[in-house]
Amino acid sequence: TQLLEQSPQFLSIQEGENLTVYCNSSSVFSSLQWYRQEPGEGPVLLVTVVTGGEVKKLKRLTFQFGDARKDSSLHITAAQPGDTGLYLCAGAGGQTGANNLFFGTGTRLTVIP
Amino acid sequence: GAGVSQSPRYKVAKRGQDVALRCDPISGHVSLFWYQQALGQGPEFLTYFQNEAQLDKSGLPSDRFFAERPEGSVSTLKIQRTQQEDSAVYLCASSVGTYNEQFFGPGTRLTVL
Repeated sequence: TQLLEQSPQFLSIQEGENLTVYCNSSSVFSSLQWYRQEPGEGPVLLVTVVTGGEVKKLKRLTFQFGDARKDSSLHITAAQPGDTGLYLCAGAGGQTGANNLFFGTGTRLTVIP
Repeated sequence: GAGVSQSPRYKVAKRGQDVALRCDPISGHVSLFWYQQALGQGPEFLTYFQNEAQLDKSGLPSDRFFAERPEGSVSTLKIQRTQQEDSAVYLCASSVGTYNEQFFGPGTRLTVL
């Protein structure tokens, strides 16, 4: 069974602080995606990482794909209340083929003004 | 429309009733996915279509769940004889990218009493 574990599960921080969310698996993925989901809405794609060791930056968000393509991290600099939401990593192209997307357990971030 | 739409947004059913959930994907998107999301969890894969062909239904939890996409656009997820454990948000996503980057609808929140 493919399992993507995210940590921490819950995170509450003050505005302006930095944070890192981790996504770990024992499986190798051909690509890994990060989504953010707000209450009552579907997840929204933030980024896709494909190459082992790849680093992508999206304004204050930095995404990294592990060298072995089994893990990833999301680092947010100077968090803002608008960053509040459920952050989900999702792996594609694992053991059961390229079509399925396996989601992590999620990290619920709250940024306090 | 510009995005994926789902209807109804909320559905309350009595245990034993049948329900049908509709998904309108982004025009031109070949791939369509259904997910089930329990409260506080990441989405779990149910089934996948490429055009009208259902290529993977390995995530459907029981034979009470049935999905179709007869003309390769709109899809319907049907749940027969609903049970309380079916209560969840059902998300639909369509995709067209190389890495199955997914565009989600807002979901249908199903509550079975």
